[in-house]
Order: sequence, then structure tokens, then C-alpha cells
Amino acid sequence: DTGVSQDPRHKITKRGQNVTFRCDPISEHNRLYWYRQTLGQGPEFLTYFQNEAQLEKSRLLSDRFSAERPKGSFSTLEIQRTEQGDSAMYLCASSFVGGTYEQYFGPGTRLTVT
Amino acid sequence: AQKVTQAQTEISVVEKEDVTLDCVYETRDTTYYLFWYKQPPSGELVFLIRRNSFDEQNEISGRYSWNFQKSTSSFNFTITASQVVDSAVYFCALRPAPYNQGGKLIFGQGTELSVKP
Repeated sequence: DTGVSQDPRHKITKRGQNVTFRCDPISEHNRLYWYRQTLGQGPEFLTYFQNEAQLEKSRLLSDRFSAERPKGSFSTLEIQRTEQGDSAMYLCASSFVGGTYEQYFGPGTRLTVT
Repeated sequence: AQKVTQAQTEISVVEKEDVTLDCVYETRDTTYYLFWYKQPPSGELVFLIRRNSFDEQNEISGRYSWNFQKSTSSFNFTITASQVVDSAVYFCALRPAPYNQGGKLIFGQGTELSVKP
């Protein structure tokens, strides 16, 4: 059973550029979460999907952020017009509704905005 | 308000010492779940344990044990006979009322454990 995978693992971009990250959850998991983690802090919730429906978005998710999960499989997180404050680790997690509620995390995508 | 506090930012111990990581949480929900995750230097969060709010039985798994006390809103984690491989950042997390809020996790700030040989 493969775990959660994320691509790319590292991304360096210049301020103002757009970036897109991909997350592939554990295959039978129907919930997918995005979190952001800055240095020295715990992960903070951004948004989550149940199947293809985006059911909740954090106030942290500004208009420059958009997430999709077409067909309820992989998900993408896009950041438009990146700012230096967007530099962080972006973590994806998945879980199975009706299971025991633990979320399994991917290795993360580290974004550096210069 | 939902909140998790891990007051210990960094702990350093010598191998084979026992160490306890503290976690205090706040929630008004009567049903909730608590979790511990380990984040080694590689960065990937590893699930360690889940505890239901209605089950205060303590749990032991090898060198790891967890003490859940609703009366003090605490869910502490003890590593017995620590090893260098235990060096990591440990996060406590709260999942409020499972049938609403989608199951997002609220994390503490983490405790960085350093085990020296």
C-alpha cells in the first residue's frame, strides 16, 4: 500500500510567479486535506475535500490560493502571484471517512519564494 | 475556542533517559479525538496514536506510553529509555467533534526532542 505522495518536493520561485503542487492520496481514502507549516510551527489547516467536493476552506486561504480535486483522486494546490510570505512547507494528508479518523501525511512540498 | 498547547519548545536528554512531552488542549466539544504525530528531520509527519474523548484508558506501545486525563485536558506522551532515533519534533493535535468541521486537525506548536548518545 503506497502512502501519500506529493510533487514536487521542493520549489523555488520568484515573487509574482504562479506555482502548482500535486498530491496523490492513499488510493482508498476519500478525504484529502491541505495544510501549511512554517518554520517552528505546527501545521495549519488550509482546506479539505471529500471526494471531489471542496467542503471547507480556512481563512488562511486567500483569493490567490485555489485547490481542486477532479474526479476525487489527486489534488492540486495553486498559488497565484506568490509572495515571500507564502514560503512554507505545504503538506497533504488523506483519510478514510468511516475509518478511525487518523490522517496520513505526505512528505510535503517546500516552497521558497525569492 | 479550539487550541492545543505544547509548552515545551525543546527538550534534550541523554540516551536511555525517560522523557515526557506535555500536551494541553482546549475544546468545548464533548466528543473529540487527540493525536500524536512524529516529524523526523526528513519532514514527513508520522502518525503515532489516536485517543477518543470517551476513552481515558492509558495506552502503552513498546517504549511509548500515553496518559490522557480529561479532568486536566491533558494528553501527555512518555518515551521510556529514549534512543537517538527518537530525535524529532513531536506534535499533539486535536480533532473536534467528528461529525462536523470536516475532521481538520488543530496542531500544537510541537516539541523538538533531541536524544544525545
